[in-house]
Amino acid sequence: DIVMTQSPDSLAVSLGERANIDCKSSQSVLHSSNNKNYLAWYQQKPGQPPKLLIYWASTRESGVPDRFSGSGSGTDFTLTISSLQAEDVAVYYCQQCYSTPFTFGGGTKVEIK
Amino acid sequence: EVQLVESGGGLVQPGGSLRLSCAASGFTFNNYWMHWVRQAPGKGLVWVSRINGDGTTTNYADSVKGRFTISRDNAKNTLYLQMNSLRAEDTAVYYCARGDDYSKFVSWGQGTLVTVSS
Repeated sequence: DIVMTQSPDSLAVSLGERANIDCKSSQSVLHSSNNKNYLAWYQQKPGQPPKLLIYWASTRESGVPDRFSGSGSGTDFTLTISSLQAEDVAVYYCQQCYSTPFTFGGGTKVEIK
Repeated sequence: EVQLVESGGGLVQPGGSLRLSCAASGFTFNNYWMHWVRQAPGKGLVWVSRINGDGTTTNYADSVKGRFTISRDNAKNTLYLQMNSLRAEDTAVYYCARGDDYSKFVSWGQGTLVTVSS
């Protein structure tokens, strides 16, 4: 199984400041057939299902604000919130869809400092 | 508009069984892989199982293999999860999700809570 490790577990950032969340996979999730990384990022607020933010490591889902961006390839990935807004307080998860089981990271809780 | 609505959760004793349903609408159901993902209270997301569009291919997390069975009825646009030999550690909110492009879960239901307790 591919193990997804997120860091940090929690993060407090001032409004308008940058937040970076890291995700490391225990093996590469880069598919050689199409050169795409099968890595997605989700946002989850209390009492709600997860919401897709980023897929293929860096493609923003339709309707997601451009302050959210994803980067990385192979085994190391980062979700960046360029200017934290109050509505971004949530838990963020990475997930690999390279091979089953489609494992998630442990989550990173983002709060306002 | 894509809609996924789970049902069938509830309180069950250890060793018992439960069948979850996920009613889908707003898209061509048999064109998509469907997934179950669970979340224990206060914990993270855990992928449980998936099934392809015609129901011929399934995969499971090791923690549920041999106890849970995923299936679908494309005529009814409904996804199922039959859960047998339930354990306390199966207590969670169970979400169904549509898999897109083998790479993302765009649409999720609101979840149904399963509590395994005596």
